Amino acid sequence: NAGVTQTPKFQVLKTGQSMTLQCAQDMNHNSMYWYRQDPGMGLRLIYYSASEGTTDKGEVPNGYNVSRLNKREFSLRLESAAPSQTSVYFCASSNSFINEKLFFGSGTQLSVL
Amino acid sequence: GNSVTQMEGPVTLSEEAFLTINCTYTATGYPSLFWYVQYPGEGLQLLLKATKADDKGSNKGFEATYRKETTSFHLEKGSVQVSDSAVYFCALSSYGNNRLAFGKGNQVVVIP
Repeated sequence: NAGVTQTPKFQVLKTGQSMTLQCAQDMNHNSMYWYRQDPGMGLRLIYYSASEGTTDKGEVPNGYNVSRLNKREFSLRLESAAPSQTSVYFCASSNSFINEKLFFGSGTQLSVL
Repeated sequence: GNSVTQMEGPVTLSEEAFLTINCTYTATGYPSLFWYVQYPGEGLQLLLKATKADDKGSNKGFEATYRKETTSFHLEKGSVQVSDSAVYFCALSSYGNNRLAFGKGNQVVVIP
């Protein structure tokens, strides 16, 4: 079972460049999430989508946009990358929005120079 | 708001030693509590959970008990193995709060 698939696994950008992180899940989950992981900070929620057709801001949404393309796919876009966005990004999904087990992808390591 | 506090710093211990990682929380209502584990190079995966006071979650020899009186959910394992080396995150979610709050994580290194 593929579970949650993220692409790419690694990416290096220059300041000001744009890119989209892709995420897809094959578990028919309703809810999807984007987190960033920074040393000493744990995981912080960037955006989430409680169900197909809806998206909402999390703790640290500035500099990011998201698209819930369909039930399977949830992409994260950096319009103009900044060094402060250097991080490891994780996509996750769950069957329902609250009190449910999250399934995580293997992450994207992004460096912005 | 909801928050989770984990003990500071990495944990280094020898194989077969006893492991405890402390986790305390602040939350409104009646949260569910989780421990997630992240092995090197991988995403997080659920290790165990408890959904109400006095519940004990357990998995792979790890245990944690939901203590409402002390607002704690400490993770324990009686005899660790090298394969338990990972980062461990405590987390909570509560009805009506649409965010899963994570602690900062603890790196655990088990030495043969």
